Amino acid sequence: GIQVEQSPPDLILQEGANSTLRCNFSDSVNNLQWFHQNPWGQLINLFYIPSGTKQNGRLSATTVATERYSLLYISSSQTTDSGVYFCAVEIVTGTYKYIFGTGTRLKVLA
Amino acid sequence: KAGVTQTPRYLIKTRGQQVTLSCSPISGHRSVSWYQQTPGQGLQFLFEYFSETQRNKGNFPGRFSGRQFSNSRSEMNVSTLELGDSALYLCASSLYGRDMGDQPQHFGDGTRLSIL
Repeated sequence: GIQVEQSPPDLILQEGANSTLRCNFSDSVNNLQWFHQNPWGQLINLFYIPSGTKQNGRLSATTVATERYSLLYISSSQTTDSGVYFCAVEIVTGTYKYIFGTGTRLKVLA
Repeated sequence: KAGVTQTPRYLIKTRGQQVTLSCSPISGHRSVSWYQQTPGQGLQFLFEYFSETQRNKGNFPGRFSGRQFSNSRSEMNVSTLELGDSALYLCASSLYGRDMGDQPQHFGDGTRLSIL
């Protein structure tokens, strides 16, 4: 089946630093979403981005579907950005299914 | 607009029992999906319901089942509970589901199930 891999698995940043998180997927996908899971377990939808680039404040994301990867950029990181970032892909095969990546655990230090 | 509501938030059961979890989607959303999150397996898709019909099912045993009502609310049932069923169960809703353009999933806060 499709593989969804995220890198790096863990990341520690000083507040104010920038970072890039990557999501690689092994097959064609219908759609892709980025989520942030905060320390309380809540999953927050960040971007719905099957292709192209989107920006929302300090966050932006780019998906290059033809090359099967997506990037999430976090600029001027804050302690509230800490948590786990997941990408999830909706696969193209006959039935609808969402596959989550392994996640990137981010800790932002004050 | 109220978000996705899952009840209960926490639940403790013993092996062999059964459990029913509830999910109320965002008003107007017709697609409800269920996910299991464990430290070992990560986030895994259980099943998706749309207009009271199960549209897709992940790779879980038959002990895991669900249903959706006419108001789009959904329930998930797990029978003959095992220790390995301890997990955070997340529900997500979207307007239509697949093939309908920009329809992101919105998640509830989850039900944390512990099996003793």
